[in-house]
Amino acid sequence: AQSVTQPDIHITVSEGASLELRCNYSYGATPYLFWYVQSPGQGLQLLLKYFSGDTLVQGIKGFEAEFKRSQSSFNLRKPSVHWSDAAEYFCAVVASGGSYIPTFGRGTSLIVHP
Amino acid sequence: DVKVTQSSRYLVKRTGEKVFLECVQDMDHENMFWYRQDPGLGLRLIYFSYDVKMKEKGDIPEGYSVSREKKERFSLILESASTNQTSMYLCASRSPVGNSPLHFGNGTRLTVT
Repeated sequence: AQSVTQPDIHITVSEGASLELRCNYSYGATPYLFWYVQSPGQGLQLLLKYFSGDTLVQGIKGFEAEFKRSQSSFNLRKPSVHWSDAAEYFCAVVASGGSYIPTFGRGTSLIVHP
Repeated sequence: DVKVTQSSRYLVKRTGEKVFLECVQDMDHENMFWYRQDPGLGLRLIYFSYDVKMKEKGDIPEGYSVSREKKERFSLILESASTNQTSMYLCASRSPVGNSPLHFGNGTRLTVT
């Protein structure tokens, strides 16, 4: 079965600084990979997804993520963080064969200082 | 845009009550999911449904059941609510294509006293 690790429970950055949120997965083949964001009091919203092809994918709100097969990672990045980016971020993995049930990481809470 | 609507944002119930959490989606999605979200534990899958009248247990089904009588509606039932079921409950839907993303409702925060 696949698993997902988000090693950072909390990350604090200053507004305008760059951001990288880490995600590592465990799966034998290349999975389908997703990043979701959850603003306070809301459900999760898709930021971006990777299935195949170009390993650098662009998402909404200025986010991007890079798939690195050799490191089993799919890290989320943003060059300049805005205060409105403060939220919970979840990485999710779907095995590319079988039941296609997503497995989520435990989430990383992003705090943005002015 | 896909809309997933959860009938209640906040719910307070007493221990032992039977509780119904309702979820409706408007995109004719075959797959629907119920997750529970707790701090530090992320999202844990309770039940999912591939299609009408079909259901499968997720990782933490104990104490819960589900109903999917119509394609657009997926109900989560707490047969006898307990305090350890106090949590945020998230419903999601998806088309059956494996690489489709989930579309989430805004969640129901349930408190059992």
